[in-house]
Amino acid sequence: GDSVTQMEGPVTLSEEAFLTINCTYTATGYPSLFWYVQYPGEGLQLLLKATKADDKGSNKGFEATYRKETTSFHLEKGSVQVSDSAVYFCALSVGGFQKLVFGTGTRLLVSP
Amino acid sequence: EAGVAQSPRYKIIEKRQSVAFWCNPISGHATLYWYQQILGQGPKLLIQFQNNGVVDDSQLPKDRFSAERLKGVDSTLKIQPAKLEDSAVYLCASSLFGRGVLQETQYFGPGTRLLVL
Repeated sequence: GDSVTQMEGPVTLSEEAFLTINCTYTATGYPSLFWYVQYPGEGLQLLLKATKADDKGSNKGFEATYRKETTSFHLEKGSVQVSDSAVYFCALSVGGFQKLVFGTGTRLLVSP
Repeated sequence: EAGVAQSPRYKIIEKRQSVAFWCNPISGHATLYWYQQILGQGPKLLIQFQNNGVVDDSQLPKDRFSAERLKGVDSTLKIQPAKLEDSAVYLCASSLFGRGVLQETQYFGPGTRLLVL
């Protein structure tokens, strides 16, 4: 079945460090790919998305490129801030009903 | 624009009791989703409604879970009787169209945290 695998956390970084959170997927069709973020005490928010191979999603300094050849959608940011501390979920949707399949989440902790 | 509303935010019950969660989606959104998020895991879809019809309930434990979306707006998710393993955050989400629309964003509510003792 369809699934998403992302790196385990927590990822601990100092402010202004470079961030990479790895995400790979398995899907029977051609999925759309998403990164959602969950800040402490808040609901899930869409961070960025990409719908076809080689598309790059970007938002708030975060980027991810849809790599079909490696079935990956790694999240990157050049310089993290303390306010980026949150749990990040990689997800895919495929098929007519747009059902989301999530990874287990990666907690990011950024210290001043 | 108001977001997805859920209540209650927290609930503590004993096993074998029943519990109900309420969700009010963003106005005009046709599709409503209920997800279960167990601690340390990603959300898992329980049921998806398109207007007031069910389009996917393949992962809903139907012997104890039920959900309805009367009039295609608000929705209620019920657990009866609850088990210890039902302790989780229950997330409601909505999207404008749902079926057949690619790239569509799902908007999530804050969730209801359930603890079953």
